[in-house]
Amino acid sequence: QKEVEQNSGPLSVPEGAIASLNCTYSDRVSQSFFWYRQYSGKSPELIMSIYSNGDKEDGRFTAQLNKASQYVSLLIRDSQPSDSATYLCAVRTNAGKSTFGDGTTLTVKP
Amino acid sequence: GAGVSQSPSNKVTEKGKDVELRCDPISGHTALYWYRQSLGQGLEFLIYFQGNSAPDKSGLPSDRFSAERTGGSVSTLTIQRTQQEDSAVYLCASSRGQNYGYTFGSGTRLTVV
Repeated sequence: QKEVEQNSGPLSVPEGAIASLNCTYSDRVSQSFFWYRQYSGKSPELIMSIYSNGDKEDGRFTAQLNKASQYVSLLIRDSQPSDSATYLCAVRTNAGKSTFGDGTTLTVKP
Repeated sequence: GAGVSQSPSNKVTEKGKDVELRCDPISGHTALYWYRQSLGQGLEFLIYFQGNSAPDKSGLPSDRFSAERTGGSVSTLTIQRTQQEDSAVYLCASSRGQNYGYTFGSGTRLTVV
């Protein structure tokens, strides 16, 4: 079992729809959770961080964390073609480094 | 600096040669990380620095790989006797501390021919 698992996709949604990206992790002592966006040929860029159970909203993005279920998700409202990218879930324990999932590729169709 | 700077951006080397990759983190970021990403693959952890010490070297693939960080700032990743399987994009990231996300550099694309 991978430490951090994501559906590889591709996930395709029409412009204006809600895109839902999911991630599960195996280490119960994980403390910090991050979502990164990676455009093709570019480096990952941090878009959301979440540390406690519940929802955290930032503009069109909402991160959701459920530590009991070891599950974290990212919702993108009013999806735009410019949101088309690979989204990486990352989980950090107290050990310091983050472990990344393999990413979900999102395509937003005009 | 304003961002994480990596050099060179591209490196083509012959099999068996040594290469050095450089990372200059954001000023004041105490934590520095090296990952690599092969084409179409996820991020593979290599090594993590807190200040000048490396509490986690668990991801270095073999003893051909080494890294150092001096002055709590610039880090160098050295690959000796490069092999074709070392071809990848090597990404450096820095963060303010354990509970903060990463800022990545633009990476070094290494091609071993």
